[in-house]
Amino acid sequence: EAGVAQSPRYKIIEKRQSVAFWCNPISGHATLYWYQQILGQGPKLLIQFQNNGVVDDSQLPKDRFSAERLKGVDSTLKIQPAKLEDSAVYLCASSLVGASRETQYFGPGTRLLVL
Amino acid sequence: AQSVSQHNHHVILSEAASLELGCNYSYGGTVNLFWYVQYPGQHLQLLLKYFSGDPLVKGIKGFEAEFIKSKFSFNLRKPSVQWSDTAEYFCAVNEGGLTGGGNKLTFGTGTQLKVEL
Repeated sequence: EAGVAQSPRYKIIEKRQSVAFWCNPISGHATLYWYQQILGQGPKLLIQFQNNGVVDDSQLPKDRFSAERLKGVDSTLKIQPAKLEDSAVYLCASSLVGASRETQYFGPGTRLLVL
Repeated sequence: AQSVSQHNHHVILSEAASLELGCNYSYGGTVNLFWYVQYPGQHLQLLLKYFSGDPLVKGIKGFEAEFIKSKFSFNLRKPSVQWSDTAEYFCAVNEGGLTGGGNKLTFGTGTQLKVEL
């Protein structure tokens, strides 16, 4: 079974530039999550989708971050404009239906460096 | 809001030593508890999880964890570590119950374990 795919794996940009990350979840998984992991910290949930609807985006900095999952499958996360403090690994995860006892399956992450 | 504390940020052990990594959470209601592991160059993956029942839960690769409700703790243990256990370990929690309030995980800051030969 193919895992969660993410691209790109690495990205270096200058502050105030924009950047986009892509995620393709495990086939058949209705729930998709984006996490931000800053160096030395654990992953922090940014947004959770159930199919193409947003379940939780309470920790998404909406003035600069946006995410979509238009067809309920793959998803993009965008930052515009980027700040230095956005340097982090952005993890995508998926799970079958989004129940609290489910395992979340993580992708390899996109490592972003903002200069 | 929930929070998860992992007090050991870096642990170095020799092979065959016993391991215990601490995890404490702050949430008064029913919780689901997870340990995830990230081996060097690999994805985060589930090690074990606890919902209810026997508070001692066993996971992959000989790991186990014990839920102590009165201490709000879910410590990870392994009797004898191997060099291949070198990894970063994350404790995570979400609100429990049969369906819970969705699957919003709160992670601890992680413990980097290095096992020396």
